[in-house]
Amino acid sequence: DTEVTQTPKHLVMGMTNKKSLKCEQHMGHRAMYWYKQKAKKPPELMFVYSYEKLSINESVPSRFSPECPNSSLLNLHLHALQPEDSALYLCASSHLVGTGGPSNEKLFFGSGTQLSVL
Amino acid sequence: SQQGEEDPQALSIQEGENATMNCSYKTSINNLQWYRQNSGRGLVHLILIRSNEREKHSGRLRVTLDTSKKSSSLLITASRAADTASYFCATLTGGFKTIFGAGTRLFVKA
Repeated sequence: DTEVTQTPKHLVMGMTNKKSLKCEQHMGHRAMYWYKQKAKKPPELMFVYSYEKLSINESVPSRFSPECPNSSLLNLHLHALQPEDSALYLCASSHLVGTGGPSNEKLFFGSGTQLSVL
Repeated sequence: SQQGEEDPQALSIQEGENATMNCSYKTSINNLQWYRQNSGRGLVHLILIRSNEREKHSGRLRVTLDTSKKSSSLLITASRAADTASYFCATLTGGFKTIFGAGTRLFVKA
């Protein structure tokens, strides 16, 4: 299984809603990532988990709350979002090698969740 | 923050022609990768070139790397309509950060 599965594919939410994005992989990868991508822009790194621990938070606002309940799952909890948070949210995973750093040999991406905040 | 700059931003060619995309980056790297993204979908890894390599081939793809100029190019030969997509270079900038360049939007006309 070489897939990263993201649900839902599309999400529309109001600014007062609470919702969650889910990501799952069964490739044994121990690094998982959240990226945000606006239209016609490159993906921007948000969070990195390694061995289920948060390794990087790229100064993301607290209305985005990541969670890694186990080595296969990654969630992104959303609360009180703004319209400018509307974007494609991409999950990715990769192997870890050496002293715990990511291999960066290859990131496997899910198809993303297209989020619209009204 | 963005590590790489790519040019051209957009490229339109006829089927059968070659497409060349360039990427420049700012900091030292261990490797450089290229990814493809079809509209509104996830990214797919195409090819990786290490910092001690100068050229690499994979099928119709040819990647070059010039670490002295901090630049890389991706050549797609004999392009097909199915190659229509956005192409991004990506570099690892220490730790866990894979940072993507601005991307080139390629349109191949049948």
